[in-house]
Amino acid sequence: GAVVSQHPSRVICKSGTSVKIECRSLDFQATTMFWYRQFPKQSLMLMATSNEGSKATYEQGVEKDKFLINHASLTLSTLTVTSAHPEDSSFYICSAREGGPTDTQYFGPGTRLTVL
Amino acid sequence: DAKTTQPPSMDCAEGRAANLPCNHSTISGNEYVYWYRQIHSQGPQYIIHGLKNNETNEMASLIITEDRKSSTLILPHATLRDTAVYYCIVRAANNNAGNMLTFGGGTRLMVKP
Repeated sequence: GAVVSQHPSRVICKSGTSVKIECRSLDFQATTMFWYRQFPKQSLMLMATSNEGSKATYEQGVEKDKFLINHASLTLSTLTVTSAHPEDSSFYICSAREGGPTDTQYFGPGTRLTVL
Repeated sequence: DAKTTQPPSMDCAEGRAANLPCNHSTISGNEYVYWYRQIHSQGPQYIIHGLKNNETNEMASLIITEDRKSSTLILPHATLRDTAVYYCIVRAANNNAGNMLTFGGGTRLMVKP
């Protein structure tokens, strides 16, 4: 199957700093990428849909000014958590849509963010 | 997109077949059934998907009932590495509304020695 990478896999930062997470589709072009967040013992929750060359669409309750998304190319989307606080500590997972007739989504390995 | 219902947890003996059920009684004609699994602290892994016909790949088999209201994911010879949360998701392909996957609670499969 198609491969999606994320970087970094783990980050620890101080409260008030910003953290950037990269998501890349390695062997296919993804016009649409998705960002999810997962808290301990919970399921994945969609944060936003990222479309190449246009503004991201955020889910209800997700602050667009806090979670900045840039989808600059067909293989790269970035999520920046601005002014991070301890409550932003979570597992962030990106996903890329392969397209085609069945539109399979492939997921990255996730980024564990810990805000002190 | 249609909702799905899965048992919250299941056990399976190592080496035996694991049969994971999923109900999707409100599925629409253009919606596919996708299965993913998530091993602890990793991103979800795509397993298999289908529309009407049964499907098989190197990981699993997907059996979809004739009325498409339910399906079963079969891991033919479960190993300890198959311990994970398994998600059954239905979604239309090429849907202009973002086409995202929406995750429910899934089934936590525990493979035991």
